[in-house]
Amino acid sequence: KQEVTQIPAALSVPEGENLVLNCSFTDSAIYNLQWFRQDPGKGLTSLLLIQSSQREQTSGRLNASLDKSSGRSTLYIAASQPGDSATYLCAAPHGSGNTGKLIFGQGTTLQVKP
Amino acid sequence: GAVVSQHPSRVICKSGTSVKIECRSLDFQATTMFWYRQFPKQSLMLMATSNEGSKATYEQGVEKDKFLINHASLTLSTLTVTSAHPEDSSFYICSASDDPSQFFGPGTRLTVL
Repeated sequence: KQEVTQIPAALSVPEGENLVLNCSFTDSAIYNLQWFRQDPGKGLTSLLLIQSSQREQTSGRLNASLDKSSGRSTLYIAASQPGDSATYLCAAPHGSGNTGKLIFGQGTTLQVKP
Repeated sequence: GAVVSQHPSRVICKSGTSVKIECRSLDFQATTMFWYRQFPKQSLMLMATSNEGSKATYEQGVEKDKFLINHASLTLSTLTVTSAHPEDSSFYICSASDDPSQFFGPGTRLTVL
């Protein structure tokens, strides 16, 4: 059974700093891995999706990597801004294939101080 | 990206009443939708898979008679929390698959008094 873990649970950085959020998963036969952003009391916004055949994906200041052999994914945020403050969640499909059933990590709550 | 809506966004009800939450895919058809629950300061936990035209599939530990799911069309799934109790108070979020991504609704905050 796939398990997803995120460390740290919370992170506070000054504006402008580059930072890395970590996500670990137990089943390396992963179909894809998705990173989401959740603002307080809101739903989820999809940030990046990495297919199993890919090693990384980039969107603006965000870069996500996937290392299946080590069971790890990282989300790199460059030049952080106060507007980046939110909870970041990684998720992997449950079972084989793209079942659509996602297993979520606990999330990392990021605070970027101006 | 694809858009998924939920209604209502917030509901407060008395213990013992039933509450219906709607999840709609606005610009694509979804044969399968998913319902998640999120308790405060916790991550999302999958409750059930909603299948258009057939019965929902529930995750272990989720009571199917308490959380009724209906997926009557390719764009609408409903979750009814029957005989709600305070412990059912939570943030309920639905998602729909527009392969390969999952798109999530904005969530419904349920408070049971």
